[in-house]
Amino acid sequence: AQSVTQLGSHVSVSEGALVLLRCNYSSSVPPYLFWYVQYPNQGLQLLLKYTTGATLVKGINGFEAEFKKSETSFHLTKPSAHMSDAAEYFCAVRGGNTGFQKLVFGTGTRLLVSP
Amino acid sequence: GAVVSQHPSRVICKSGTSVKIECRSLDFQATTMFWYRQFPKQSLMLMATSNEGSKATYEQGVEKDKFLINHASLTLSTLTVTSAHPEDSSFYICSARDYQGPDTQYFGPGTRLTVL
Repeated sequence: AQSVTQLGSHVSVSEGALVLLRCNYSSSVPPYLFWYVQYPNQGLQLLLKYTTGATLVKGINGFEAEFKKSETSFHLTKPSAHMSDAAEYFCAVRGGNTGFQKLVFGTGTRLLVSP
Repeated sequence: GAVVSQHPSRVICKSGTSVKIECRSLDFQATTMFWYRQFPKQSLMLMATSNEGSKATYEQGVEKDKFLINHASLTLSTLTVTSAHPEDSSFYICSARDYQGPDTQYFGPGTRLTVL
């Protein structure tokens, strides 16, 4: 079984500051990990994903995340926040390539960016 | 990139009526589609998994007779909320799994259902 914990329902940063959104997972099999972004009244857009290989993955809009197996973490970062980054961010996990596995989402973190 | 559309984007209906929501994969074939429900300021809850040409698999606690799912083709799945009541008001989001690249689900823009 898989589960996801996102620490902090809200994160506030100033424009230009580092963005760090935390995600810890639990999985009984090697995980596939995802970060999605949701703007108000919209669906989810994939930011990045980790399946296998390089543990530092780069996504769209300057975001990246690092898979750390020893810490069971997959934190999302961006060096410099932009006003347009204000949104809800969801971390998700599914079992690795062992047949069909459903996505399990965290509770989300709302990123607030101030001028 | 892969695009998933939903129609309608928002719907308001009277209590007791049925509402159909369509989910289409526009530029890829989706053998599997998923239906989620999202309450305000909460995460997505998987309602059911829809496989083309077969019956949907519902998550525990989801009434299959109330939320009818049909996946008639590789690009279309529909969710019908039957005899809707105010407590069914929510944001419904579908996603589609590209069979050629099964590691990723592509999400639709969502449908806001309001039952009066």
